[in-house]
Amino acid sequence: DGGITQSPKYLFRKEGQNVTLSCEQNLNHDAMYWYRQDPGQGLRLIYYSQIVNDFQKGDIAEGYSVSREKKESFPLTVTSAQKNPTAFYLCASSPSRASTEAFFGQGTRLTVV
Amino acid sequence: DAKTTQPNSMESNEEEPVHLPCNHSTISGTDYIHWYRQLPSQGPEYVIHGLTSNVNNRMASLAIAEDRKSSTLILHRATLRDAAVYYCILRRANRDDKIIFGKGTRLHILP
Repeated sequence: DGGITQSPKYLFRKEGQNVTLSCEQNLNHDAMYWYRQDPGQGLRLIYYSQIVNDFQKGDIAEGYSVSREKKESFPLTVTSAQKNPTAFYLCASSPSRASTEAFFGQGTRLTVV
Repeated sequence: DAKTTQPNSMESNEEEPVHLPCNHSTISGTDYIHWYRQLPSQGPEYVIHGLTSNVNNRMASLAIAEDRKSSTLILHRATLRDAAVYYCILRRANRDDKIIFGKGTRLHILP
């Protein structure tokens, strides 16, 4: 089945550790996105990529890093520099056309203790 | 980035139509109007989108004002499963397509 997969669904880490969240899509989409969502809030854009080997910072990129070495994969690393990393993280993909829909993964809930 | 404004929350009775408004007064000619909805602890799902003309699909209808500065998502007959946060967003038809979300409207459906 075609779709976008985030793993794991739940992730626990100790403070000060880097952690990488996985996002894979088999929809042949050029564009991929990472969002952060805090309780009761909307989605905030962390990073986005319109094409392989290229990505741009979103509104809250500090403390995060990404790579886009393959079209189907866009992993997000939450570094120890991110002061409040506990949140719900969502990945999305879309053809690079504003006239088409974006598809979202089911999210990874990260808890840092 | 063109922004959208939506009411924080709305209520509707089950089996009645729901009209969810969105203002986007700074919309540009190449911006598409998209609607997504999000159920608790899930990723958003696409509902509908349009550019200038009104649009219908199996989930909803989208009514776009003639000047395109506002739009309305119409759920024709609300069910309890329609209770969600609804987001109205603008997507620009060029390479810098960021897909920026606002705070959305939390829709409560009363049985």
